[in-house]
Amino acid sequence: DTEVTQTPKHLVMGMTNKKSLKCEQHMGHRAMYWYKQKAKKPPELMFVYSYEKLSINESVPSRFSPECPNSSLLNLHLHALQPEDSALYLCASSPGGGWGTEAFFGQGTRLTVV
Amino acid sequence: DAKTTQPPSMDCAEGRAANLPCNHSTISGNEYVYWYRQIHSQGPQYIIHGLKNNETNEMASLIITEDRKSSTLILPHATLRDTAVYYCIVRVEGTYKYIFGTGTRLKVLA
Repeated sequence: DTEVTQTPKHLVMGMTNKKSLKCEQHMGHRAMYWYKQKAKKPPELMFVYSYEKLSINESVPSRFSPECPNSSLLNLHLHALQPEDSALYLCASSPGGGWGTEAFFGQGTRLTVV
Repeated sequence: DAKTTQPPSMDCAEGRAANLPCNHSTISGNEYVYWYRQIHSQGPQYIIHGLKNNETNEMASLIITEDRKSSTLILPHATLRDTAVYYCIVRVEGTYKYIFGTGTRLKVLA
């Protein structure tokens, strides 16, 4: 099973709402990632968790708050977002450590902020 | 961080080989080159990766130059379903940072 599952697939939220994106994998991977992708642009790295600890934060605004409750789950909590935060949010996972290991991506959550 | 440069778009006739180039002139000794593709805003799909030797799997072949400053992804017999954006990625040494290049939009023509 090489699947990374993201829920929901689509989300529309107001600027004052609080919502969460969820990502789950059962491959025993110990690194999990959040990427943001705007239309016709490549994915941009936001956060990386390694062994359930936040190891990379690419200077993401605090209105995005990641959480890794256990080795299989990754959440992205959203609060007070702006319309320009509308994008495809991608989760990925990879085996912890090692160089020649590939990351597997979920299908993404398409977020619209109104 | 190592960065990659790719042509923005390419066309390929169905059934012919598609050769997608990538420049990564600042790559470090331990950094792998990865290729992913993304079809119509789905999640990126892993294709292949390599360090210095050429690699082949059921999807594609990866040719890396001896100086490792560039590579080519080869889809041996392109089909219409191979129409996608292809990303060349270098994983930054010592980190979990997979940095996407700008990608090549490959269109396979019937």
